Order: sequence, then C-alpha cells, then structure tokens
Amino acid sequence: DAKTTQPNSMESNEEEPVHLPCNHSTISGTDYIHWYRQLPSQGPEYVIHGLTSNVNNRMASLAIAEDRKSSTLILHRATLRDAAVYYCILSDQTGANNLFFGTGTRLTVIP
Amino acid sequence: NAGVTQTPKFRVLKTGQSMTLLCAQDMNHEYMYWYRQDPGMGLRLIHYSVGEGTTAKGEVPDGYNVSRLKKQNFLLGLESAAPSQTSVYFCASRTGTANSPLHFGNGTRLTVT
Repeated sequence: DAKTTQPNSMESNEEEPVHLPCNHSTISGTDYIHWYRQLPSQGPEYVIHGLTSNVNNRMASLAIAEDRKSSTLILHRATLRDAAVYYCILSDQTGANNLFFGTGTRLTVIP
Repeated sequence: NAGVTQTPKFRVLKTGQSMTLLCAQDMNHEYMYWYRQDPGMGLRLIHYSVGEGTTAKGEVPDGYNVSRLKKQNFLLGLESAAPSQTSVYFCASRTGTANSPLHFGNGTRLTVT
C-alpha cells in the first residue's frame, strides 16, 4: 500500500488558518486521499477525501497537487476544538478499500 | 441513531483469559472493521468484514478471531489474552460504496496483566 508522510506535530493560533501537509510520492492513479482526525479519548472521525480536484466541505478544504504527490488539509479558522491528531491516508479501489492509518500530525491550537 | 457502539468500554484481563468485544452499528452498513491503537501509534487493522457471514484478515490478525453472524454486529474474540494485546480497540463501519467514510466507535480500553 502506498505510504504517506506527515509532520509529527504542528501548532496554530486560534482563529487562524491551518495548513496540514501530506506527502504521498508513491501514490497510484486510483488512490483516493482521505483525511481523518482523532480528538482525545475518541475514535477517529472522517474529515474529507478526494482524488484529483480540490474538495471543500463544512469542516475543511483539501488541496491536491497537480502531480498528486502531495496534498494539504486546510482548516480555515482553527478553534480549540480542532486540536487533534490528523491522519492522511490513501485507499485504492481494489478489494475492501481498507484504510491503513499512520501516526498522523498532532495539531495544537493555542488560545 | 446511536451510530457505532462498543462494549465494554474498559476491561482488565489476566494472561490466558478469554473475552469477546462487541461492536454494534445501527446504520445498516455493509463493511465493518476492528482496529487496535497502541500508545503514540496510529491504528492497525486487525480483521474486517465486507458483509454478513464473511470476515478477512487485516495487518495484525494473530491472536484474534472475529465473527459477523448478523449484519449489525461484529465480534472480536481473544481466546488466550497476552500482555501484548493491551491496547485500545476501535470498531468502525461504512457502506459498501467505494470510499464511503468510516464511522468509528469510542473504543474499548483493554489491559492484560
């Protein structure tokens, strides 16, 4: 399975935008890019996913590089509730599309 | 809707004891998964199921068995618990549509002494 690389940790000030990077240089043409986050003492929750085009939803935006070797999760206005571990994951279109979680990026939001 | 419910929330076992973790979902999802998460690490897939009566191995299946007798339930069994199985266990489910989001439970914290 194609791997992703994320920084171990990032900090952001409250109410400022946050850009969380993810590198996936071995991505294949059919791999979707998924983002999940895990708040303390909870199970992960879905944030967003995409294939080639940038995607927006009520939680975040996903910017995908033209060569698809990297992507960025954008939180437009960080709140204290956004402090979590963010996982960037690739899934392919074969089989059960299983998601394999790495160690993610721990986001700290500073009041 | 309750979503994905895991029972129990906490459990302490002695080495060699057995137990079953229950995952129940009320969203009529086809696919169900069991993951484990060790301190400071991401989640690792233990077993999964793509439908009632079917199961398959994930990344770290050794020491665990699963059953999916009913669509809404996915059971994870430890026949002879070992300290290495001390972990937080998460269940997840999703529809059968490709790339549909995973819905997770809040986890079961298991300690094996």
